[in-house]
Amino acid sequence: QVQLVQSGAELKKPGSSVKVSCRASGGTFTSYSISWVRQAPGQGLEWMGGIIPTVDSANYAQKFQGRVTITADESTSTAYMELNSLRSEDTALYYCARDTYGSYWFHYWGQGTLVTVSS
Amino acid sequence: EIVLAQSPATLSVSPGERATLSCRASQSVRNSLAWYQQKPGQAPRLLIYDAANRATGTPARFSGSGSGTDFTLTISSLEPEDFAIYYCQLRSNWPPMYTFGQGTKLEIK
Repeated sequence: QVQLVQSGAELKKPGSSVKVSCRASGGTFTSYSISWVRQAPGQGLEWMGGIIPTVDSANYAQKFQGRVTITADESTSTAYMELNSLRSEDTALYYCARDTYGSYWFHYWGQGTLVTVSS
Repeated sequence: EIVLAQSPATLSVSPGERATLSCRASQSVRNSLAWYQQKPGQAPRLLIYDAANRATGTPARFSGSGSGTDFTLTISSLEPEDFAIYYCQLRSNWPPMYTFGQGTKLEIK
């Protein structure tokens, strides 16, 4: 049974950074890609980027290039998303999501981490 | 960058009736399209992938169709638990990038 468990809610000040974790259990961590998707209050879903741990290669949506870093730690089966230069518009629920064997769609999702950016 | 446009933004349908949701891509994505369902306070759930394949656990009343630029999600007979927001999503080949549509809210009429 695949599970993605994310770190807890964060309150950050504008201009600071946040790092959200996503620990995977069930299945082989390195064999699948993990993406990060965010959802601002009352808004739709927005893909931020993803990583394939076995390749250790991340790619990012153009909107977030230069401001987001996605990494993976195979030893702990954990993926991380770090977002810098936070502004109020970054207040959102951040999800990690994983594909599965033979299918690159998001079959599994974390529970979401609320990041609030406020002075 | 390929853009996805979902229509309508809100769809009001009575339980037991059929619902048809549309997703149009700005250029061909072949069959690289998925549909997700999201209920309030929950993470999205994959319903349909590769345009027409039901994900594990997706009831048979959900079906996906289309290829190229025009896609449809059909719910044959709405159950109370189907009222939610539905998103389509595309994937570009390389580098792997994803884009979501803006969503269709399916509400009870």
